[in-house]
Amino acid sequence: EVQLVESGGGLVQPGGSLRLSCAASGFTFISYWMHWVRQAPGKGLVWVSRINSDGTGTSYADSVKGRFTISRDNAENTLYLQMSSLRDEDTAVYYCTRDSYYYDAFDIWGQGTMVTVSS
Amino acid sequence: QSTLTQPASVSGSPGQSITISCTGTSSDVGGYNYVSWYQQHPGKAPKLMIYEVSNRPSGVSNRFSGSKSGNTASLTISGLQAEDEADYYCSSYTTSSTYVFGTGTKVTVL
Repeated sequence: EVQLVESGGGLVQPGGSLRLSCAASGFTFISYWMHWVRQAPGKGLVWVSRINSDGTGTSYADSVKGRFTISRDNAENTLYLQMSSLRDEDTAVYYCTRDSYYYDAFDIWGQGTMVTVSS
Repeated sequence: QSTLTQPASVSGSPGQSITISCTGTSSDVGGYNYVSWYQQHPGKAPKLMIYEVSNRPSGVSNRFSGSKSGNTASLTISGLQAEDEADYYCSSYTTSSTYVFGTGTKVTVL
């Protein structure tokens, strides 16, 4: 079964750091570009970041550029999001999602992990 | 990076057709045929419904269809069913090599 499972969310103080993980299974992870998308409570989806298949190319939303770092370990089939200098407005459910190999869209989504930034 | 504009809510009776619009700019929706649509039920992860403007992934009902004209994309749900009640989001690739989502539309089946 094709699956993405996020972990690492939790409560963190403003200015703190957190690393999210996304374990992939059921498909050839190294072949796919991957993304992080977030959703604040009661709000819409927001694209956060993307990484290419071998990890050499990344892009970020302006709102997280310089604070978040996306990476991957293809040997471990795992995607990461290192978050630092966290702000209240970073509070959200963070989803990892797969970029379809055959077309431009997010075809597989994890269940999400909640990050709460609060003092 | 701004968001794409969608109506906050759309409603219809069972069996009717509804259309959700998604308005962007020439830097996103109008510039590429890389518009996709996602369905999200409360507390669940989004699900891909339409990719590249008008294509349905395997397993998605043919009651869902997509189109685009200029800077506006549209999702049409025909033969509305109770299970279609959910939030719907459009998304587009942009000239900045990033992605942008729409503001989201709550679909209510009356």
